[in-house]
Amino acid sequence: QSVLTQTPSVSGAPGQRVTISCTGSSSNIGAGYDVHWYQQLPGTAPKLLLYGNTNRPSGVPDRFSGSKSGTSASLAITGLQAEDEADYFCQSYDTSLSGDVVFGGGTKLTVL
Amino acid sequence: QVQLQESGPGLVKPSQTLSLTCTVSGGSISSGGYYWSWIRQHPGKGLEWIGYIYYSGSTYYNPSLKSRIIISVDTSKNQFSLKLSSVTAADTAVYYCARVNVISWGSVFFDPWGQGTLVTVSS
Repeated sequence: QSVLTQTPSVSGAPGQRVTISCTGSSSNIGAGYDVHWYQQLPGTAPKLLLYGNTNRPSGVPDRFSGSKSGTSASLAITGLQAEDEADYFCQSYDTSLSGDVVFGGGTKLTVL
Repeated sequence: QVQLQESGPGLVKPSQTLSLTCTVSGGSISSGGYYWSWIRQHPGKGLEWIGYIYYSGSTYYNPSLKSRIIISVDTSKNQFSLKLSSVTAADTAVYYCARVNVISWGSVFFDPWGQGTLVTVSS
């Protein structure tokens, strides 16, 4: 059971917009801690997608964007492409006994 | 750019100690500014943070694993290591090492990651 809750799967057609949510609590996202997002393509290691809620590392397309409000955060992907099919994980910081760093359970994005 | 590579046995017997090493290239662990972390992913599951270490040796561990883990650093070899004791089948996972980037206290993220190494616990 992950401290951060993500919808297990989402899907969309090429060109569409999808959002992936990450829900936490008052000891992590709700306490104001940043949310970071990772993309894991099949058979590969996770790769940083967004950091500090909204910031894209060099090389990440601006089709990927993030937001945060209250105890939740969201990752939006516009202009969906086949290559976006992957698992997406959110990550934050937690002050409870769960440990400093907590991850979401991951969301599998399927491009139809 | 910085690259990380995990190494170690792919098979460990139950009750024994899992030992992995992460070799960092393209940058020096001892230059500071970053922590160095271990993260694992059970087959088909999400990610679990194990712990991280600074070049000085300061460590932070996941409370759920704290009693069984030791993370150490060898700056002369530009490596850091993980030891997980008393393993069971539940410790079977892909183990990743990663560099920890610190934005501020309470805001850390992982980039880059090693490719990961599968460790199976079985007799």
